[in-house]
Amino acid sequence: DAGVTQSPTHLIKTRGQQVTLRCSPKSGHDTVSWYQQALGQGPQFIFQYYEEEERQRGNFPDRFSGHQFPNYSSELNVNALLLGDSALYLCASSGRGGFNEQFFGPGTRLTVL
Amino acid sequence: GQSLEQPSEVTAVEGAIVQINCTYQTSGFYGLSWYQQHDGGAPTFLSYNGLDGLEETGRFSSFLSRSDSYGYLLLQELQMKDSASYFCAVTPSWGKFQFGAGTQVVVTP
Repeated sequence: DAGVTQSPTHLIKTRGQQVTLRCSPKSGHDTVSWYQQALGQGPQFIFQYYEEEERQRGNFPDRFSGHQFPNYSSELNVNALLLGDSALYLCASSGRGGFNEQFFGPGTRLTVL
Repeated sequence: GQSLEQPSEVTAVEGAIVQINCTYQTSGFYGLSWYQQHDGGAPTFLSYNGLDGLEETGRFSSFLSRSDSYGYLLLQELQMKDSASYFCAVTPSWGKFQFGAGTQVVVTP
């Protein structure tokens, strides 16, 4: 049973560029959440997708957007990258009724130069 | 507003018991979760308390008191592999999660 997968593993971009990160949820899960984790900090909730809709959103600007596909996989897009966007981006999946237990992917390490 | 507080670091010897406290202030509340994260790894789910009281899962237990806006994670019979960061997280509304800054647990021989 495949767990949560994310791609790419690492990414280097320059300020002002745009980036797309991808996530495939654990088999049987239909809900995907995205988090940003800076070094030494806890994960910060970006948003959650369910039934291809953004169901919840954290305190992130509109530069952060997402999408969920019919197969439940998801993308996180970040426009106009800033140096402060450098972080580990984590994707987590859960079943519809199991919002209390999330399964995290290994993350994408984004470096903005 | 929402905020969570947990100690930044706890050190203990193998075989000991460690308690990580988490206090929270949130305008809404479904439950309190705990996650473990090893250096370079992904967070892994440990426990969830939706109701007051104690939840036990092997060597780990978690407690919640809604009236006190307080919870804790208890790690018993500490092992070296328990050295990791531990995060409490509240669910202030359906599908939304807020994580604390994490507690670094250091287990020494």
